[in-house]
Amino acid sequence: ELKVEQNPLFLSMQEGKNYTIYCNYSTTSDRLYWYRQDPGKSLESLFVLLSNGAVKQEGRLMASLDTKARLSTLHITAAVHDLSATYFCAVQTSGTYKYIFGTGTRLKVLA
Amino acid sequence: GAVVSQHPSWVICKSGTSVKIECRSLDFQATTMFWYRQFPKQSLMLMATSNEGSKATYEQGVEKDKFLINHASLTLSTLTVTSAHPEDSSFYICSARAGTGGYEKLFFGSGTQLSVL
Repeated sequence: ELKVEQNPLFLSMQEGKNYTIYCNYSTTSDRLYWYRQDPGKSLESLFVLLSNGAVKQEGRLMASLDTKARLSTLHITAAVHDLSATYFCAVQTSGTYKYIFGTGTRLKVLA
Repeated sequence: GAVVSQHPSWVICKSGTSVKIECRSLDFQATTMFWYRQFPKQSLMLMATSNEGSKATYEQGVEKDKFLINHASLTLSTLTVTSAHPEDSSFYICSARAGTGGYEKLFFGSGTQLSVL
């Protein structure tokens, strides 16, 4: 059974600081996704990572994938208050269309 | 980008009644849709995979008779919570796959907050 874990679960950081969220998964996967969720809202797609070594960047967020280590990271650069949200990684299980979500990381950026 | 419409956004119902939630792909055809359940401050739990024209595939522990899923067309999947009870109160989110090959993405509906009194 595929398990997806994120670390940390909660993160409070000052504006301007950098931090990394980690996503570990237990079995081989075809692809990995990162999503953002604001309170009471649905999910917004951030990144799709398709292959080992993939790196994508959008604004202050950068995601990477290491399929050998079964690890993805979401790096936040010079955080701003608007980035406060819950971030989820999701893994598509190999050979299926099922997407299993990580535990989520609640990020709070303090002004 | 692809749009998935889900409604209602919120519903309050009495215990014992049934509630239907609709999920529509507005500008693409979705042969596969997914239904998730999310408790407050928790992750999304996959409930079932909805396949157009065939029976849904339920995850372990999800009651098929309580959560009825129908995917009658390429643009519409419905989730019916039958004989709802307070423990069924949750945020339900549908999603649909769009794109092919390396450009596949999962697009999410806006979610439905269900409160059962």
